[in-house]
Amino acid sequence: GNSVTQMEGPVTLSEEAFLTINCTYTATGYPSLFWYVQYPGEGLQLLLKATKADDKGSNKGFEATYRKETTSFHLEKGSVQVSDSAVYFCALSEQGGSNYKLTFGKGTLLTVNP
Amino acid sequence: KAGVTQTPRYLIKTRGQQVTLSCSPISGHRSVSWYQQTPGQGLQFLFEYFSETQRNKGNFPGRFSGRQFSNSRSEMNVSTLELGDSALYLCASSLGRVGTEAFFGQGTRLTVV
Repeated sequence: GNSVTQMEGPVTLSEEAFLTINCTYTATGYPSLFWYVQYPGEGLQLLLKATKADDKGSNKGFEATYRKETTSFHLEKGSVQVSDSAVYFCALSEQGGSNYKLTFGKGTLLTVNP
Repeated sequence: KAGVTQTPRYLIKTRGQQVTLSCSPISGHRSVSWYQQTPGQGLQFLFEYFSETQRNKGNFPGRFSGRQFSNSRSEMNVSTLELGDSALYLCASSLGRVGTEAFFGQGTRLTVV
């Protein structure tokens, strides 16, 4: 079956530091890939997505590139802010077939200190 | 445009009781999925409804059930509650099915005592 593996953290950074959260996946088909963010006490918000190989998703300074050859979708941001402190989830959904669901990684807690 | 609305936000129930959670999707969205989030298991897929039909089900016991109405609103029901059912239950709506992005509600925090 499908699976997503991401670094579990926690990750603690100082403001303006560079962020990388690794994500790799296993899928039988050609999935769409997503990063979701969850702030304390809230649901999940879609941060960015990519639907095919070599696509780059970007939003709010975050970027991730769909790498089919390494089955990866690493999240990066050049300069983090305190407000980026949250839990980040990598996820995939299959394209094609009769089933639709998101398969999530375990989540990575990011804390950014001023 | 209103987002996904889940009610109630918080719920405390006793073991053995049953509970019904509600989800109103974004207007025009026809797919509603439910997820359970716990510290130990993370986010796990419960089921998906599209056009009032359950299309996909996760690996949960039959005590977990759901339905979708003609206006796409969805409910999930958990019967004979167990302590382990304590979790954040998240609903997500999508315009279509495969490959389309999902928008999540704030969740219902269920505590079973």
